Amino acid sequence: TQLLEQSPQFLSIQEGENLTVYCNSSSVFSSLQWYRQEPGEGPVLLVTVVTGGEVKKLKRLTFQFGDARKDSSLHITAAQPGDTGLYLCAGDSGYSTLTFGKGTMLLVSP
Amino acid sequence: SQTIHQWPATLVQPVGSPLSLECTVEGTSNPNLYWYRQAAGRGLQLLFYSVGIGQISSEVPQNLSASRPQDRQFILSSKKLLLSDSGFYLCAWGDLTYTFGSGTRLTVV
Repeated sequence: TQLLEQSPQFLSIQEGENLTVYCNSSSVFSSLQWYRQEPGEGPVLLVTVVTGGEVKKLKRLTFQFGDARKDSSLHITAAQPGDTGLYLCAGDSGYSTLTFGKGTMLLVSP
Repeated sequence: SQTIHQWPATLVQPVGSPLSLECTVEGTSNPNLYWYRQAAGRGLQLLFYSVGIGQISSEVPQNLSASRPQDRQFILSSKKLLLSDSGFYLCAWGDLTYTFGSGTRLTVV
C-alpha cells in the first residue's frame, strides 16, 4: 500500500505570514498533485508536478517536487484569509486511482 | 467544457432507510468515475471507482454499493443506512487528475 503523509496536520497562522506544508512518501510517483478544499465543497486542483526537482509557481504559491519524485512541498508567501482550507496532495503511481494524503488544514486569521 | 453534478447537497436520513446519491458528468465520454467519503474534513477514503458502464471496483467492503447504468452516470446506494455511514460524499471524474463534485453531506440519525 502506498502512503502519502502530510505535515503538519493543522496550521493556524496570521495574515501575512509565510508557511510550508509537506507531502512525503517512501514510494515513487509519476506525478504529484495538490488540491485545495474549502468547507462544504469538493477539492479543486491547484497544480500537477511531473518532473523530479520541478518547481511551479502560482502567484503566492510555490510547489516543488522532490528530485526522487517521492515528496513535495507547498510554500505560501504572505498568506491571506482566502488561503484557508484543506490542502491535499495526491500521487499517481500508475494504478487506476490516485493516492491521497490526509491533508493539512490551514487557517489564516486576519 | 466538462462539468460534474452531484446531488443532493445535504441529506438527513434515519437509520435503516435506503440511500441513493447520483452523480453525472457532462462534456466528456467514457470518464473514469469515483466515489469518495470524507470524515471530519480530513482525508479522502476511496469507496468505488468505475472505468466503464457496468464496471465497478470496490475498495472497501461496507454497507454501500455503486452502479454505473450510463456512461456518465454514477450512483451510490445503500439498502439500509447505518449511523457510521454519515459523512461527506464526493463524486469525481478524471484520469491523471480529478475533478470533484460539490459533495453531499449525509447525516444518519
